[in-house]
Amino acid sequence: KAGVTQTPRYLIKTRGQQVTLSCSPISGHRSVSWYQQTPGQGLQFLFEYFSETQRNKGNFPGRFSGRQFSNSRSEMNVSTLELGDSALYLCASSLGQGVNQPQHFGDGTRLSIL
Amino acid sequence: DAKTTQPNSMESNEEEPVHLPCNHSTISGTDYIHWYRQLPSQGPEYVIHGLTSNVNNRMASLAIAEDRKSSTLILHRATLRDAAVYYCILRRGNFGNEKLTFGTGTRLTIIP
Repeated sequence: KAGVTQTPRYLIKTRGQQVTLSCSPISGHRSVSWYQQTPGQGLQFLFEYFSETQRNKGNFPGRFSGRQFSNSRSEMNVSTLELGDSALYLCASSLGQGVNQPQHFGDGTRLSIL
Repeated sequence: DAKTTQPNSMESNEEEPVHLPCNHSTISGTDYIHWYRQLPSQGPEYVIHGLTSNVNNRMASLAIAEDRKSSTLILHRATLRDAAVYYCILRRGNFGNEKLTFGTGTRLTIIP
């Protein structure tokens, strides 16, 4: 069974640009969450989608947005990139909602801002 | 979210059992205890979870104290591939609050 796939694996952008990251969940999984990981802040929750609706959102500025498609695939977008947005962005999927549902992570997209 | 406390680091010899502790004294009755680990250059990996009873799966065992204020992740026979950061996480049973809140975790070093 294929795992969570994130593309691209690596990305280099400059300040002020925007970026779109993609996540394909495990087949049959309907919930997709996004996290940002940095050495200083650790893993921080961005947002979670279920059935194309954003269900939960973390404490990030409006420059960070996302969406989910009918096939459960998800994208996140960051506009007006800042140096501090350099991070590993992780996507996780789960079969459904519920706190007894494990989340399965991809290996992330490493975004570097110059 | 309720907080968890884990040692910053631990070492263990290869092929020996490893007991990774987690304190969660403010746990509530509906909190599930989850463990994830993160190997270098990879995303976090689900290990195990439980509510009240001890749990076993192919990767590990989870021992939950009777008062649920602490738990222990047990790797029965450590290998070099088990070197990772291990996160103990509480997930509260609120619909629409599915996020994982990661602490700093325990960095496990396996000595050959």
